[in-house]
Amino acid sequence: KNEVEQSPQNLTAQEGEFITINCSYSVGISALHWLQQHPGGGIVSLFMLSSGKKKHGRLIATINIQEKHSSLHITASHPRDSAVYICAARNAGGTSYGKLTFGQGTILTVHP
Amino acid sequence: DAGVIQSPRHEVTEMGQEVTLRCKPISGHDYLFWYRQTMMRGLELLIYFNNNVPIDDSGMPEDRFSAKMPNASFSTLKIQPSEPRDSAVYFCASSAGLADTEAFFGQGTRLTVV
Repeated sequence: KNEVEQSPQNLTAQEGEFITINCSYSVGISALHWLQQHPGGGIVSLFMLSSGKKKHGRLIATINIQEKHSSLHITASHPRDSAVYICAARNAGGTSYGKLTFGQGTILTVHP
Repeated sequence: DAGVIQSPRHEVTEMGQEVTLRCKPISGHDYLFWYRQTMMRGLELLIYFNNNVPIDDSGMPEDRFSAKMPNASFSTLKIQPSEPRDSAVYFCASSAGLADTEAFFGQGTRLTVV
C-alpha cells in the first residue's frame, strides 16, 4: 500500500462541473501539498496546508488531520484546468523528516 | 527571482554516454531536491541538499548516479554511464525549509536514453 493514495486516477468532466480529487496518507505529516502539472510542463505548487481549508480563486483545498485525508475541489471547471494533480505529504519525523511522498497523480480532463 | 532554473530542457543521448543535468535554485533557499518522474513510479526523491551538503541520497538508484552542489546557486545531477531505463523527467526543486514551507519546482529536464 502506498503511503499516499489519490483517487480517482483519471477524471473526465464537462466544463462547469464541480470536481473533487481525494488524497489519503498514512504517514505523519507537517504539511500536505497539492501540485499541478500540465502536459509537457513543469510542476506548480497550488496549496500547502497543515490544517483546515485554503481557497485560491476556483480552487479549494481541505485537510482533515485526524482522518489523514485531504481534498482538492475545483468549482466551475474549465478546459484549462486539464492537468495532472498531485498530492504530496511532507513527512513529519523519523529518518524521512521533511521529505515529500507523492501520490500517483490524478489526470483531469475537462471537456468544453 | 526567475524561479528554479533547470537545463537542458530536453536531452537525448546514447546509451553509455555521460549525462549532466543542471539546476539553479531560488536565491536564499537552503534546500535543494532532485526528483525523477516516470510513468511507472511517479515522482521519486533522488537526493536532497541542505546548505550545499548532501543530506539524504537514499533515493539515488545506483552508483551510476551522482549529484553535487558546489555552491548555493548551482547543482548537478550526473549519470555515467547512462542506460535506457534512466529515461525520465528529472525535476529540481528548492525550498527555504523542510517543515511547512513550499517547494518550488523547475520546469524539468526530459531525458531520453536511446
